[in-house]
Amino acid sequence: QVQLVQSGAEVKKPGASVKVSCKASGYTFSGYYMHWVRQAPGQGLEWMGWINPNSGGTIYTQKFQGRVTMTRDTSSSTAYMEVSGLTSDDTAVYYCAREGVVPTGTAYYYYGMDVWGQGTTVIVSS
Amino acid sequence: DIQMTQSPSSLSASVGDRVTITCRASQSINSYLNWYQQKPGKAPKLLVYAASSLQSGVPSRFSGSGSGTDFTLTISSLQPEDFATYYCQQSNSSPRTFGQGTKVEIK
Repeated sequence: QVQLVQSGAEVKKPGASVKVSCKASGYTFSGYYMHWVRQAPGQGLEWMGWINPNSGGTIYTQKFQGRVTMTRDTSSSTAYMEVSGLTSDDTAVYYCAREGVVPTGTAYYYYGMDVWGQGTTVIVSS
Repeated sequence: DIQMTQSPSSLSASVGDRVTITCRASQSINSYLNWYQQKPGKAPKLLVYAASSLQSGVPSRFSGSGSGTDFTLTISSLQPEDFATYYCQQSNSSPRTFGQGTKVEIK
């Protein structure tokens, strides 16, 4: 079945980096964009950015520019998201989620984030 | 960035009630609006995409409408499994902003 399986929980010290993986199965990895979304404890959803697994192209929200790197390995159908310079504000559950995107002439049709990983808890604490 | 504002932030309702959640965008997003349901400790679940298209497998009591800046998610007859937090999210442009969420609680 279609699924995204994320790496396990991490505990990091302030200033460190964390790299979360998201392994896709059951579908053509390069055919869907991959988003990364995080949720701080008791808070709402925060979109971090996305990667086009086909081209490797990325878009990050400005808040994370220079601190977040999204990559992919098409041979293993795995997406990665690395955050550097961690602070306590980065304590959150991090999700990957795929989205189907179809070009329609001069625009695109977006199908929403229909499959999500189980989430990876990252705790930043000294 | 496009700001997404949901109302109400929370509501109490009974099983069988009709529930409507509103989402307003700070500028036109055409029909690039998705709705998600999230239960505690779980990943979000896509309910509606492109403002009004029901995701496969989602019960027909859920429906979405709207275009431009104003959108609604309606649950026609609330069921016990519908008590959760609901988020809207725009896919018109990056960053793909979410609303702050609407928590639906049992009355």
